[in-house]
Amino acid sequence: KAGVTQTPRYLIKTRGQQVTLSCSPISGHRSVSWYQQTPGQGLQFLFEYFSETQRNKGNFPGRFSGRQFSNSRSEMNVSTLELGDSALYLCASSLGQGIIPNYGYTFGSGTRLTVV
Amino acid sequence: SQQGEEDPQALSIQEGENATMNCSYKTSINNLQWYRQNSGRGLVHLILIRSNEREKHSGRLRVTLDTSKKSSSLLITASRAADTASYFCATGAGNMLTFGGGTRLMVKP
Repeated sequence: KAGVTQTPRYLIKTRGQQVTLSCSPISGHRSVSWYQQTPGQGLQFLFEYFSETQRNKGNFPGRFSGRQFSNSRSEMNVSTLELGDSALYLCASSLGQGIIPNYGYTFGSGTRLTVV
Repeated sequence: SQQGEEDPQALSIQEGENATMNCSYKTSINNLQWYRQNSGRGLVHLILIRSNEREKHSGRLRVTLDTSKKSSSLLITASRAADTASYFCATGAGNMLTFGGGTRLMVKP
């Protein structure tokens, strides 16, 4: 089956602009999570959506937002871009169900965002 | 913030040798997972160990978990050049993962 698809793969934006990244999860997976990876801070959790509802949010400013559509596809948006937002943004797909979610996540290849 | 630290930060070995990476974490967990990342690409899930398990095997991988010490180790046996990558432990609680800083493994042919 198809994996997790993230678009675009690379993006260059100017400070102050906004950007929207897209993630299509594995068919049947209802949970989509977003992570930011930078050399300084490592991998950090942004937010998680399940059935169009945000269930968890990491410690990021309000400039970072997301949403999930009825087909489970998700988008994340970063407004008023700063140089420090340059990072690899990773999307992870999972079934999302269960009281204790003992399952692995399937990650996309990521979107590398460069802010200049 | 990151859950814990991985040790060592970098490891260089010869093909055929074993590689051991350690991970420590800080809070209660449902499970601990290990992921591999090649050259800044996406993460690949390797293995998951639940909080009530002590050891798990998958092919050339062996993972141990010591919840009393809040630590885990990943052993890759008979390493290959293709194992060259960064390896991350991640603790699962709720519906999110908290990652360690990673170990960069280089396997020389």
